[in-house]
Amino acid sequence: KAGVTQTPRYLIKTRGQQVTLSCSPISGHRSVSWYQQTPGQGLQFLFEYFSETQRNKGNFPGRFSGRQFSNSRSEMNVSTLELGDSALYLCASSLESGSSTGELFFGEGSRLTVL
Amino acid sequence: AQSVTQLGSHVSVSEGALVLLRCNYSSSVPPYLFWYVQYPNQGLQLLLKYTSAATLVKGINGFEAEFKKSETSFHLTKPSAHMSDAAEYFCAVSKNNDMRFGAGTRLTVKP
Repeated sequence: KAGVTQTPRYLIKTRGQQVTLSCSPISGHRSVSWYQQTPGQGLQFLFEYFSETQRNKGNFPGRFSGRQFSNSRSEMNVSTLELGDSALYLCASSLESGSSTGELFFGEGSRLTVL
Repeated sequence: AQSVTQLGSHVSVSEGALVLLRCNYSSSVPPYLFWYVQYPNQGLQLLLKYTSAATLVKGINGFEAEFKKSETSFHLTKPSAHMSDAAEYFCAVSKNNDMRFGAGTRLTVKP
């Protein structure tokens, strides 16, 4: 069974640009969660999607958005990039709305550098 | 809202020594508790989870954790450290579809 796939793995952007990250969950998983990981703030929850609906949202500005498609693939978008958005963005999938049972399966992440 | 606190951002042990990584949680009712491991340039991998079935939980790679309600703790242990255990470890708590991670503990294993 293929794992969670995130693309791209690495990318460099400049301030003010926007970026779209993609996540393909494990086949059959309907929930996708996104996390931002930085050395200073650790792992911070961005949002969770389940069956194309946002179920939960973390404390991030509106520049951070996401969506989920009917095949459960998810994208997140960050607009008007700031230097502080440099981070590893992790996607995690689970069978159900996942965090209640903790069976989150993580991808390897997309490392974003903002110059 | 529930949260977890990991005591010690860095822990260093010698190969073959006991590994003890500390995690305390705050929650009004027993939550689900987890330990995840992250190797360099990789995502997180579930080590073990507590879901109220048994207080001593055994995970992968020889790790185990004990849920102690009286101490609100869920410390991770391994009797004998291996070089391959060097990684960052995250404790997490989940309740009502809200999962929160601790700040992480970086484990270094010295030869």
